[in-house]
Amino acid sequence: AAGVIQSPRHLIKEKRETATLKCYPIPRHDTVYWYQQGPGQDPQFLISFYEKMQSDKGSIPDRFSAQQFSDYHSELNMSSLELGDSALYFCASSPGLAGAEEETQYFGPGTRLLVL
Amino acid sequence: AQSVTQLDSQVPVFEEAPVELRCNYSSSVSVYLFWYVQYPNQGLQLLLKYLSGSTLVKGINGFEAEFNKSQTSFHLRKPSVHISDTAEYFCAALGAAGNKLTFGGGTRVLVKP
Repeated sequence: AAGVIQSPRHLIKEKRETATLKCYPIPRHDTVYWYQQGPGQDPQFLISFYEKMQSDKGSIPDRFSAQQFSDYHSELNMSSLELGDSALYFCASSPGLAGAEEETQYFGPGTRLLVL
Repeated sequence: AQSVTQLDSQVPVFEEAPVELRCNYSSSVSVYLFWYVQYPNQGLQLLLKYLSGSTLVKGINGFEAEFNKSQTSFHLRKPSVHISDTAEYFCAALGAAGNKLTFGGGTRVLVKP
């Protein structure tokens, strides 16, 4: 079965640079979520999109922005990178917002970002 | 607001022994509960979920969990572990009012031969 695809899988950037992470949801999933997992920590919710509109927002820095496109893929744009942004960034997708089954989130393999 | 607490940060266990990972949640509204597993250097894989109905939920790889509303718990169990079960396990809750997952701190399971 098709899974969530994330690219790139690994990314190394310098401080103050920008990075763009991409997420391709499972086919027919219209909801995308972004999470950040710092070293030795649990995943923290950043932001989510449903039908190309932002549906919820968590602890996402102002330096970060995200959007969902017409083909439902999503991109997380990160600017003015800081050392503390080094983390594993997960994307998850779900079939929709209505009902418990539709809200089950399936995660991609993550993008490991290292800021030097 | 909801929170998820995993009471054990690490659980060492011998191969073929049973294991129980504890998870408690707090929420003023009904929640949906999930267990995810993260193998080293990999993403999160859904083990099982409780949405409604039977309180005993069976998942993949021989894991099961029991939802206990009175104790606000959702403990994960496996009767006999394998070396390949060495991983980090996350309990997570999804509130009925929102769509973001709240994770517990994770429990690292180390299966010893």
